[in-house]
Amino acid sequence: GQQLNQSPQSMFIQEGEDVSMNCTSSSIFNTWLWYKQDPGEGPVLLIALYKAGELTSNGRLTAQFGITRKDSFLNISASIPSDVGIYFCAGQLYGNKLVFGAGTILRVKS
Amino acid sequence: DAGVIQSPRHEVTEMGQEVTLRCKPISGHDYLFWYRQTMMRGLELLIYFNNNVPIDDSGMPEDRFSAKMPNASFSTLKIQPSEPRDSAVYFCASSLGQNKETQYFGPGTRLLVL
Repeated sequence: GQQLNQSPQSMFIQEGEDVSMNCTSSSIFNTWLWYKQDPGEGPVLLIALYKAGELTSNGRLTAQFGITRKDSFLNISASIPSDVGIYFCAGQLYGNKLVFGAGTILRVKS
Repeated sequence: DAGVIQSPRHEVTEMGQEVTLRCKPISGHDYLFWYRQTMMRGLELLIYFNNNVPIDDSGMPEDRFSAKMPNASFSTLKIQPSEPRDSAVYFCASSLGQNKETQYFGPGTRLLVL
């Protein structure tokens, strides 16, 4: 089946540092989404990207839809302790089905 | 506004028992999705509905799993009989047709089958 390669698998950074994570695929996607999951909760949508090359910000978060439509990245600037969690990318192939990456575990040291 | 509501939040049962998970989507949303999350396989789509009609159930693992959506505000995912390998977190998500890919997730049901 279709797969998304998400990296890194985990990050342990100092508070205040910037964070970058990305997803790549062998398939072209129509939409890229980034979610965050806190312990014991469901994934929460952070950013949605609909066009190749699109760059979108949401506060300290910035995400881009790769020009080839096969990749996307998420940046978090000036990380804070509450950024801790698991970040998932998801791509829409066709119809309404999403394919999720394996997640990036983010830990922030204050 | 209330988000997606799932019940129960936790379920512990014995192998062979029937398990029913419930979901109330966000009011007005016309798409509903059931996912399963495990450490080994991550988030997997099981089935999704549009306007209460099942559209794609190719992710349902086997006949022991079934899902229904009798009306726009309620859906169930049933496992009968349950097995230990069904232990996972089951999420329900909903979306609105115009932005159907932006799915909003419920808090999940944590299922443990002993």
